Amino acid sequence: AAGVIQSPRHLIKEKRETATLKCYPIPRHDTVYWYQQGPGQDPQFLISFYEKMQSDKGSIPDRFSAQQFSDYHSELNMSSLELGDSALYFCASSPRTTGELFFGEGSRLTVL
Amino acid sequence: QKEVEQNSGPLSVPEGAIASLNCTYSDRGSQSFFWYRQYSGKSPELIMFIYSNGDKEDGRFTAQLNKASQYVSLLIRDSQPSDSATYLCAVNGRSNTGNQFYFGTGTSLTVIP
Repeated sequence: AAGVIQSPRHLIKEKRETATLKCYPIPRHDTVYWYQQGPGQDPQFLISFYEKMQSDKGSIPDRFSAQQFSDYHSELNMSSLELGDSALYFCASSPRTTGELFFGEGSRLTVL
Repeated sequence: QKEVEQNSGPLSVPEGAIASLNCTYSDRGSQSFFWYRQYSGKSPELIMFIYSNGDKEDGRFTAQLNKASQYVSLLIRDSQPSDSATYLCAVNGRSNTGNQFYFGTGTSLTVIP
């Protein structure tokens, strides 16, 4: 069965650089979520989209932005990167009707 | 106060024993409850979900929900070393604009052979 696809799996950036993470949700899932997980932390909700419109916003810094495109893939853009942005970034998708959340493998961002 | 509270552990049980993981939540309007297993450096994997009060069994796993007490638990019977992981409790409360998931900090479980 198709799963949530994230790319890249690993990314190394310098401070103040920009990074873009991509997510391809499970087909026919209408909601996409982005989470940030630091070492030993629980996943922190960043932002979500329902049918390509932003639906909820969590603890997403102003330096970050995200959007969902017509083909339902989503991108998380992170600018002016800081050391504290180093984390695993998970994308998850969900069918609104059942509400189960399915995670991608994650993108590990390291900021040097 | 966090939306979802879990005992971070670590919890250690011998192989073959029952592991009991607990979770409380603050929003009485929460509708759906999930247990995820996460191995170190990997993505959370859905194990169980429960919507109604009572017990729900799936193989060696049983989820228990008590909405009056705002409490959800996960029992793992016949624990195996491969069950050693962090278990995340997640609660889903619907908003006007979509679903909002809240995660607990996770309980670290170690099953000792």
